[in-house]
Amino acid sequence: DAMVIQNPRYQVTQFGKPVTLSCSQTLNHNVMYWYQQKSSQAPKLLFHYYDKDFNNEADTPDNFQSRRPNTSFCFLDIRSPGLGDAAMYLCATSGGDAVEAFFGQGTRLTVV
Amino acid sequence: GQNIDQPTEMTATEGAIVQINCTYQTSGFNGLFWYQQHAGEAPTFLSYNVLDGLEEKGRFSSFLSRSKGYSYLLLKELQMKDSASYLCAVYSGAGSYQLTFGKGTKLSVIP
Repeated sequence: DAMVIQNPRYQVTQFGKPVTLSCSQTLNHNVMYWYQQKSSQAPKLLFHYYDKDFNNEADTPDNFQSRRPNTSFCFLDIRSPGLGDAAMYLCATSGGDAVEAFFGQGTRLTVV
Repeated sequence: GQNIDQPTEMTATEGAIVQINCTYQTSGFNGLFWYQQHAGEAPTFLSYNVLDGLEEKGRFSSFLSRSKGYSYLLLKELQMKDSASYLCAVYSGAGSYQLTFGKGTKLSVIP
């Protein structure tokens, strides 16, 4: 059974139209991460949470925001998507007895 | 800041051994991970080193030297399915929980 679930798997949005990506987890992990990954590049950390404590990477554009209403869910909001925001967005969790981060299958965002 | 370096690409022959190196300079260190990522898929966990030395897990081994800021992933008896990107990631640990990835090494296994 999937433990970190991202919806949708594929998202097409219009230039400048707000879009929200979602992530849910069944692992009850304290830490949740959002990464942006462009083609042939490494995942780039955008945000991470420890419970409700929010950490924003210094180079994360203001256009990106995040919400974590409870332990299980986390959202990535892109207020005004540009063509350069087209990428795979990966959600991951860590905590409990496991040291490693568990990744969801990702949401591939296309901006038209 | 966080700086993690890996070779961009490597090619190796099926059945051979390959070593993928990673060097890091980070603010805070509480362990180093190796992940495998096939094209279009999410990264999957391979190994974790927090103390110096070698960790072996089947065909995969990972080594860490904290004083040198250096790690390597060793893949033995290469198989075609090992063709993937291999990502080195540094964990800042408790108090930060920041997990930062290197740019990844694309490994191609040829017959």
